[in-house]
Amino acid sequence: QVQLVQSGAEVKKSGSSVKVSCKASGGTFSNYAISWVRQAPGQGLEWMGGIIPIVGTTHSAQRFQGRLTISADGSTSTAYMDLSGLRSEDTAVYYCARELYNNSSNWLDPWGQGTLVTVST
Amino acid sequence: SYVLTQPPSVSVAPGQTARITCGGNKIGSNSVHWYQQKPGQAPAVVVYDDSDRPSGIPERFSGSNSGNTATLTISRVEAGDEADYYCQVWDSSSDHFYVFGTGTKVTVL
Repeated sequence: QVQLVQSGAEVKKSGSSVKVSCKASGGTFSNYAISWVRQAPGQGLEWMGGIIPIVGTTHSAQRFQGRLTISADGSTSTAYMDLSGLRSEDTAVYYCARELYNNSSNWLDPWGQGTLVTVST
Repeated sequence: SYVLTQPPSVSVAPGQTARITCGGNKIGSNSVHWYQQKPGQAPAVVVYDDSDRPSGIPERFSGSNSGNTATLTISRVEAGDEADYYCQVWDSSSDHFYVFGTGTKVTVL
């Protein structure tokens, strides 16, 4: 049973960067892709991007391009999400999740416990 | 980009049936997945591929999808079903590969 454990809460200044980790256990890390999803306070879910660790391929939503770096370390079964140029609107809970797929579609299961990132001005 | 619309809230009495809709253009031609998110917790899938349930999810949770509307049905609602529910489709042609619905708060009266 795959489990994803994320790093702890962060408080950052506007303009700085944050790096959140997501450590996988219970499965073969390189066999699946990892996505990052965020949720602003009281708001819905927003997909940010993902990585296929075995090949290092990343994909991200255009609105985060230039600010978002997703990486993975197979030796430690850990994925990372690095967001730079932080602003108050980036205050959110950030989740990692494993991507599952079949012939027709992809979905996310399981999810990490979430990491609260608070951006102060 | 693809837009999925859900009602903001649904209220239901214990033991009754809750139906949560997810509207999108020709959504019936996509596979729809549903997530439950309880306060302070991460989302968890309750239905995938329109109507399949992961192991451990009660049969009370079921899904359907046709035309422009997908529906998550919760039968014999319990207090523990109170949560936010999100639908999701995967659209590789979209900027956001994973497109989530706006979310529905289910309140058990």
